[in-house]
Amino acid sequence: DGGITQSPKYLFRKEGQNVTLSCEQNLNHDAMYWYRQDPGQGLRLIYYSQIVNDFQKGDIAEGYSVSREKKESFPLTVTSAQKNPTAFYLCASSILDRAETQYFGPGTRLLVL
Amino acid sequence: EDKVVQSPLSLVVHEGDTVTLNCSYEVTNFRSLLWYKQEKKAPTFLFMLTSSGIEKKSGRLSSILDKKELSSILNITATQTGDSAIYLCAVEAGGNEKLTFGTGTRLTIIP
Repeated sequence: DGGITQSPKYLFRKEGQNVTLSCEQNLNHDAMYWYRQDPGQGLRLIYYSQIVNDFQKGDIAEGYSVSREKKESFPLTVTSAQKNPTAFYLCASSILDRAETQYFGPGTRLLVL
Repeated sequence: EDKVVQSPLSLVVHEGDTVTLNCSYEVTNFRSLLWYKQEKKAPTFLFMLTSSGIEKKSGRLSSILDKKELSSILNITATQTGDSAIYLCAVEAGGNEKLTFGTGTRLTIIP
């Protein structure tokens, strides 16, 4: 079955700790995206990548970092610089230049202890 | 800066009612407008509207794009409890390779 997997489903972060959210796809999509969803705020773009070893900042990149070493994988690190990380994080992938093909993973809920 | 606004933020109706959800946008080089349904986790794609495809219909759901008014509506007729979800509108602008999402409308259908 083709799709996107995100892990873990729930993640707890302590103050000052960096945490990494995993996103893997086997759809052979070139483009991958990370969104953050807060209640009443819709989806906001954190980072996106159109090709391996290249990525661009979205609208709210501060306090986050990403890497794209493999086409299938686009992990997101929430650093200690992100002061309000509690949110629902969604990863997506798409065929390059075909936004309507954007397919979402099941999400990771990050909570701060 | 690209902007997408949805209204209302939330809506509660009885089963069988018809609802209309709104989405307006301000973007440079509009390319397409997309509607998604989000029930618990991942948003699922409903429709894509472009300059060459301004009206789409699937069962009880339909959507229209008004390029003059820079807006779109999503209609759901004969609503069912399974229609309860957050409905997201997103706009793709040419050259950006990314979507800008609205805040979403939370729709609740009461049996």
